[in-house]
Amino acid sequence: DVVMTQSPLSLPVTLGQPASISCRSSQSLVYSDGNTYLNWFQQRPGQSPRRLIYKLSNRDSGVPDRFSGSGSGTDFTLKISRVEAEDVGVYYCMQGTHWPPAFGQGTKVEIK
Amino acid sequence: EVQLVGSGGGLVNPGGSLRLSCAASGFTFSSYTMNWVRQAPGKGLEWVSSISGSSDYIYYADSVKGRFTISRDNAKNSLYLQMNSLRAEDTAAFYCAREAPGNRYGMDVWGQGTTVTVSS
Repeated sequence: DVVMTQSPLSLPVTLGQPASISCRSSQSLVYSDGNTYLNWFQQRPGQSPRRLIYKLSNRDSGVPDRFSGSGSGTDFTLKISRVEAEDVGVYYCMQGTHWPPAFGQGTKVEIK
Repeated sequence: EVQLVGSGGGLVNPGGSLRLSCAASGFTFSSYTMNWVRQAPGKGLEWVSSISGSSDYIYYADSVKGRFTISRDNAKNSLYLQMNSLRAEDTAAFYCAREAPGNRYGMDVWGQGTTVTVSS
């Protein structure tokens, strides 16, 4: 099975400053159709997960453009250009290229 | 409004059974693969099971295979998870989630979660 490894697991950030979360997969996530099925989810305290990014770098409708996804092969990054108070929560990467689908451990973003 | 509403959670003894439901609205339910994802208290997300729109394709995580059964009733716009032989380690919030077409497990809509507690 593919293992997804996130770092850091805890990320204290200053409001208005950038933040970056890394996600690495144990196998390449490029599927036979050429797509990379790598998603990013945000889970605010007490809420259900919400998808932010799909297929590596596509932002979901309603997601602020301060969120961006990038990477290739086995190394991926979620960037927040300027952290706002509403961004506090846990962020998960998730691969859908290989069965079974797998989530990273989660990265907890908090305000300093 | 696209919405998923989960229900059926509760407290059950080890070895017991429980059936979760997820009511869908605001979209053509039969056109979407649906998933169950769980989250143990204070832990991360774990994919549990998926079922295609016509129920032709059904998959389970190894941790629940043989004990859980996913099903759906497209006429009722409902998704189900029958859970048997429950264990303490099955204690979790269970989320139903819609899979966007052509997006391999890219779950774009999530329910609010229903909590299952397995304890004597």
